[in-house]
Order: sequence, then structure tokens, then C-alpha cells
Amino acid sequence: DVVMTQSPLSLPVTLGQPASISCRSSQGLVASGGNTNFNWVQQRPGQSPRRLIYKVSNRDSGVPDRFSGSGSGTDFTLNISRVEAEDVGVYYCMQYTRWPHTFGQGTKLEIK
Amino acid sequence: EVQLVESGGGLVQPGGSLRLSCAASGFSFSTSWMYWLRQAPGKGLEWVANINPDGGDTYYVDSVRGRFTISRDNAKNSLFLQMNGLRAEDTAVYYCVIGGGQQWGQGTLVTVSS
Repeated sequence: DVVMTQSPLSLPVTLGQPASISCRSSQGLVASGGNTNFNWVQQRPGQSPRRLIYKVSNRDSGVPDRFSGSGSGTDFTLNISRVEAEDVGVYYCMQYTRWPHTFGQGTKLEIK
Repeated sequence: EVQLVESGGGLVQPGGSLRLSCAASGFSFSTSWMYWLRQAPGKGLEWVANINPDGGDTYYVDSVRGRFTISRDNAKNSLFLQMNGLRAEDTAVYYCVIGGGQQWGQGTLVTVSS
């Protein structure tokens, strides 16, 4: 199985400051068609998860542009340029290139 | 508007069965991969099963293979998860998700306990 390792697991951030979450996969995630099937998912407290970033760096509709994704191969990063109160929650990386599809452990973002 | 509405969760004894349903609307269901994922209380996310658009290909995580069956009815825009031989470790909120993770339902809670 592809192991997705996130860091840090806990991320206290001051409002208005940047934040960064890393995710490393145990195997490369480029699919046979050339796509990298890697997403970032946000889960706010008490809510269902929602996708923020798909295929490494594409923001979903309605996602603020303070969120950005980057990376390639086995190393990926989610950046938040200026953290706002509504960003509190748990962030997961996920891969769906190889079965079983897998998630990272989650990074809990909180306001300092 | 894309909507995924799960139903069918509840309390069941170990060894029992449940059938989850997901009513889909607002997108082309019949051409979409669909997934079931789950989240145990206070834990992270786990993939459970996938099904391709025509229902001919299915994939299961090892822990549920042989006990769970994913299926779909494209005429009714519905996704299903038949769960047999339930165990305490299957206790979780189960989510219906469109391929690629682009949209998630609100989830339905399955509790396996005596």
C-alpha cells in the first residue's frame, strides 16, 4: 500500500500568518495516463470533508486563492498564505493513483 | 447543485448486516466513478470501496473484501454498500464520494455493538 506521511500533525498558527503542510508518499503517484492523482481535503469541525486541491495544484471552485498546492513525485505541499479563522480543521492528503487509495494521517490546524 | 445523500446507517449487532444507499443528483452519475469512504469516531479517513461507471469493476480495501459489496443503479442515480458480517471495527461514518473526491455526502453513521 502507498503510505502517505503528513507533517506536522499539529499546526498552531497565528491569524494572518502563513501555514504549510507537507505530505510524502512512499511511491510515486504518476498514473499511466500522466496525471498525478493527489488531492488535499479539508474537514472543518463537525462537517464532512471537502476537496480543496485536486491533481496536486488545482483549486476547487469556491476555494479561496490563499490556498495553493504544489509538488511532484513523492513530495507535496499545501500552503495557506494568510490563515483565517474559518481555516481551522483537519487537512488530509490523499492519493488515488494506486489501489488501495490512501490518506495521510491528517494535520490539525488551530489558531494560536 | 451536486447532492449526495446517504441513508441506511444505524445500530447493528456484531455479525449483522446493513445496506447503505446514496442518492445522487446534479451531475452525470452514470459516467462517474463512485466511492464509499469511512471515518471511525475521532479517527482519520479510510477508503472502503470503488465502483466504475457501468458497475463492472469494483475494488475493496482488504479489511472489508468478502464482507462488503458496492453496487449502483444508474437508472435511479443510486449507489449502494451492502455490509455483511459487521464487526466493531466497522463502526464509522460512511461517506458517498464522487470520483476524484470532488464532492462528499454528509455521511451516515454505522455503529456495530451488542
